Amino acid sequence: GAVVSQHPSWVICKSGTSVKIECRSLDFQATTMFWYRQFPKQSLMLMATSNEGSKATYEQGVEKDKFLINHASLTLSTLTVTSAHPEDSSFYICSARELQGANNSPLHFGNGTRLTVT
Amino acid sequence: GESVGLHLPTLSVQEGDNSIINCAYSNSASDYFIWYKQESGKGPQFIIDIRSNMDKRQGQRVTVLLNKTVKHLSLQIAATQPGDSAVYFCAENRRFGNEKLTFGTGTRLTIIP
Repeated sequence: GAVVSQHPSWVICKSGTSVKIECRSLDFQATTMFWYRQFPKQSLMLMATSNEGSKATYEQGVEKDKFLINHASLTLSTLTVTSAHPEDSSFYICSARELQGANNSPLHFGNGTRLTVT
Repeated sequence: GESVGLHLPTLSVQEGDNSIINCAYSNSASDYFIWYKQESGKGPQFIIDIRSNMDKRQGQRVTVLLNKTVKHLSLQIAATQPGDSAVYFCAENRRFGNEKLTFGTGTRLTIIP
């Protein structure tokens, strides 16, 4: 089945530094990938929709200058948390749908990246 | 046992029993619904989906029921096993809208050996 890989699976960084998270579709192409954030014991909240070859679409309340998204190819999207602060500590999850998938084919999720900002 | 996802976020069920997890969705325009299972420290895993032109769909040990009249979705897991312990989320989408999924609150299911 379709596999979405995230890297790294966890990262610890100091406050003020930037962290890049990669999301790859391993055996399919995805024009659209989605980035979610999940705080402990809470649901997944969509941050942004990453579109291959164009600018990402951010959800209300998500700072685009803080969470930089790049979708340079059909198999890779990156999320960079710039000038990270402790409140950015969270579980970041990406997802993708196969390019040839029918409308409403299920999204495939990565295994998430646990970010801890000290 | 049963749970209402929004008000009872935890559910404990004896191994071998059946479980029912409920979800109330908010958007009457939603026409595609998915149940995901999330184990600790992992991303959501697809379980089963259903479109709005159906009211029931069955998979292996799982059944999803959809009641569009009251905007209610449920996931039934038969003969629960320890590996079923996880958090279960319902998600909704619109077929001809954008591709964004909206996730429900989630219910933590614990299987008691």
